[in-house]
Amino acid sequence: GAVVSQHPSRVICKSGTSVKIECRSLDFQATTMFWYRQFPKQSLMLMATSNEGSKATYEQGVEKDKFLINHASLTLSTLTVTSAHPEDSSFYICSAPRSSGTQETQYFGPGTRLLVL
Amino acid sequence: SQQGEEDPQALSIQEGENATMNCSYKTSINNLQWYRQNSGRGLVHLILIRSNEREKHSGRLRVTLDTSKKSSSLLITASRAADTASYFCATDAGGSYIPTFGRGTSLIVHP
Repeated sequence: GAVVSQHPSRVICKSGTSVKIECRSLDFQATTMFWYRQFPKQSLMLMATSNEGSKATYEQGVEKDKFLINHASLTLSTLTVTSAHPEDSSFYICSAPRSSGTQETQYFGPGTRLLVL
Repeated sequence: SQQGEEDPQALSIQEGENATMNCSYKTSINNLQWYRQNSGRGLVHLILIRSNEREKHSGRLRVTLDTSKKSSSLLITASRAADTASYFCATDAGGSYIPTFGRGTSLIVHP
């Protein structure tokens, strides 16, 4: 079963509005979560690392004021796309690492498809 | 950051045939992972292979890793129509365990 959930799965909004996407680890705690963005037929590009209790770490070229990240608890990270524009339309995926012994596996959420009109 | 590159970009086969996808990367890695993504969906983790491993199996999946060539292959045997998806390799290196993804191989299995 799913170990990382995202909500909503799909959102359509008007240009200029803000959209919040939630990422939850369902049966484990994640002090770190990752947010990716994927354009059609493209790879996943890491946007930022969400850190519980501290500021997120953004990848080069990602505007932190545009993509607000809050890691409110050990099981929840939120990504808010502020003043969304059509070019922000994309598939947003979060992941959370889960350790099992010496192995760490990234579990990905089902993704959120954002369409900005 | 480094990025895995999958080859081929697209693969179309008949059900029952084997599908082989390759991944090349640029620098030394800790681990290499293969993921599957159905259209418009999230990623499903398939296999993780460590840098000191050469081959791993999981059901109909077989992954090889050649660190001297900086490449990996994913073999799906006796493919099924339900295997139709995009397959990505992801590598992590150094002190970071954040996977970096390639562009993926789009696999279509015709029934």
